[in-house]
Amino acid sequence: NAGVMQNPRHLVRRRGQEARLRCSPMKGHSHVYWYRQLPEEGLKFMVYLQKENIIDESGMPKERFSAEFPKEGPSILRIQQVVRGDSAAYFCASSPRDDNEQFFGPGTRLTVL
Amino acid sequence: DQQVKQNSPSLSVQEGRISILNCDYTNSMFDYFLWYKKYPAEGPTFLISISSIKDKNEDGRFTVFLNKSAKHLSLHIVPSQPGDSAVYFCAASAYSGAGSYQLTFGKGTKLSVIP
Repeated sequence: NAGVMQNPRHLVRRRGQEARLRCSPMKGHSHVYWYRQLPEEGLKFMVYLQKENIIDESGMPKERFSAEFPKEGPSILRIQQVVRGDSAAYFCASSPRDDNEQFFGPGTRLTVL
Repeated sequence: DQQVKQNSPSLSVQEGRISILNCDYTNSMFDYFLWYKKYPAEGPTFLISISSIKDKNEDGRFTVFLNKSAKHLSLHIVPSQPGDSAVYFCAASAYSGAGSYQLTFGKGTKLSVIP
């Protein structure tokens, strides 16, 4: 039973490019959460999605960031026109229900040059 | 306005002794608390949790204590082992008005267990 999968594990982008981060939840999990960890900080909630629906995006920056969780395929966190301040580790977590019990993936480390 | 605080960035403990990691919170709406362990280049791994209706939860070498009146929780690891060396994150949960159980994390405490 594979855990939460994230790819790529490392992503390097130049300022102004787009970054796409993918998350495949654990089998049977239909709830996905995205968190961002800046250097020397804790993880900060960004967005919570169920299949085909964004439920809570209160932690997501209003511009340049978007997320989706289509009926088929992984959840995608998309960052347009990246800036240096977007450099961080982005973690995805999944849950079988809207719950405290969230299982985390290994993260994607985004570096913006 | 950090709602979950881990005031000790690091802690060193001798193997076999007790490790005590502390966490304070400010939001009285938090009703569920979790500890995660994180190795470098990996995601956080769930360790132990406690509901606000309890004051103690134990799982093997790990015990979490909750003092609601002080808005304080602690994780005790005994006996500590070198494999416990990692960053430990305290997290708290409250049902948000937008319909989700988002976790609020502290900044972490790096535990080093010395053989």
